Amino acid sequence: ETGVTQSPTHLIKTRGQQVTLRCSSQSGHNTVSWYQQALGQGPQFIFQYYREEENGRGNFPPRFSGLQFPNYSSELNVNALELDDSALYLCASSFERGADTQYFGPGTRLTVL
Amino acid sequence: QKEVEQDPGPLSVPEGAIVSLNCTYSNSAFQYFMWYRQYSRKGPELLMYTYSSGNKEDGRFTAQVDKSSKYISLFIRDSQPSDSATYLCAMSRTGANNLFFGTGTRLTVIP
Repeated sequence: ETGVTQSPTHLIKTRGQQVTLRCSSQSGHNTVSWYQQALGQGPQFIFQYYREEENGRGNFPPRFSGLQFPNYSSELNVNALELDDSALYLCASSFERGADTQYFGPGTRLTVL
Repeated sequence: QKEVEQDPGPLSVPEGAIVSLNCTYSNSAFQYFMWYRQYSRKGPELLMYTYSSGNKEDGRFTAQVDKSSKYISLFIRDSQPSDSATYLCAMSRTGANNLFFGTGTRLTVIP
């Protein structure tokens, strides 16, 4: 176990709705990254938060947004859901931005109908 | 063209075989190279981490990086049924963040 937890495990939404996914990092890890993993694909970087501020973003539109809290928890929010947003969403935490190791949670499986 | 290319397999080998997994990449700025293992319904787990070119060995696993060819490999010796999983290569310019992943190779080790 990596000590990184995510909730919920599974989620079903309809197109146009909004969703919030949650992640709890290991204690002391001040960096969290979010990834989207479509079926049969590798994870794609969405963004990273370091000490509660966004610190890098992949090729995802602004309707993907995030928050990081002082208690090592974080959120991924997705507005105006589209069918292509159906995927496994992974969060990963690390001790520092340039750390050589990050620890992934088990993911949240989002299905958009 | 994707920045990281990986043969998705699937790959089936008998127990005890040597497994070779490979990725190629196009971005010469990548300096950090990783291999992750992902079991079904789980998040990726870091197996090997290499900075720049060279080899790294850890038990039955050996990672190789050839930056001149933009090619990385993972070798698994004496493969076990418990090695059955999807193996993802990943790389970045700046450590363990903003990783670029391959599509993953699904490996099955047959007892």
